[in-house]
Amino acid sequence: QTVVTQEPSFSVSPGGTVTLTCGLSSGSVSTNYSPSWYQQTPGQAPRTLIYSTNTRSSGVPDRFSGSILGNKAALIITGAQADDESDYYCVLYMGSGISLFGGGTKLTVL
Amino acid sequence: EVQLLESGGGLVQPGGSLRLSCTASGFSFSSYVMTWVRQAPGKGLEWVADISASGYSKYYADSVKGRFTVSRDNSKSTLYLEMNSLRAEDTALYYCAKRMSGSSWSHWDCWGQGTLVTVSS
Repeated sequence: QTVVTQEPSFSVSPGGTVTLTCGLSSGSVSTNYSPSWYQQTPGQAPRTLIYSTNTRSSGVPDRFSGSILGNKAALIITGAQADDESDYYCVLYMGSGISLFGGGTKLTVL
Repeated sequence: EVQLLESGGGLVQPGGSLRLSCTASGFSFSSYVMTWVRQAPGKGLEWVADISASGYSKYYADSVKGRFTVSRDNSKSTLYLEMNSLRAEDTALYYCAKRMSGSSWSHWDCWGQGTLVTVSS
């Protein structure tokens, strides 16, 4: 059973840079998995941040970027702001119509 | 404006059934893959099912395979999720989401606000 792994929690100072990662319990993440990233604040539906590894969704500030770092997908937030405090989820396309969410990372900005 | 509106959630006993609906507007519904995603209280997001634009191809998470059926009526711009043999662990907020294209590998670019399903005796 393949599991998509994310850090359960992360903390960043205002103005700081943080890298959230998205890995696989077995194997490496590549662009073939079409990694995407979603932001969710309490009580709200998810919002698309990044798709196809590194493409920002419409209206997403350029302080959010995506890449592959080593064997994982990564979401990099540069110049973190207070309203970036949210839950962040990655999704990998596993093929054969199957998508898998990571467990999510709770980001604290303080 | 692209909109998705879920309905049909509620309280159901274990072993019971429920049908969720998602009414779409503001886009050509029949051109896009549609998805159900759920979120148990205080937990993360879980992909549940995808259905192709035509409705011919359907894909399910292992956790719901054989119990849930996804379908769509393109003439009504409506997505459905028929849920049978419900378990307590199916308790969640169920979102419908639109993929950006006719492919399951594409990302979701629109989400509904969700409908809550509670499985409890």
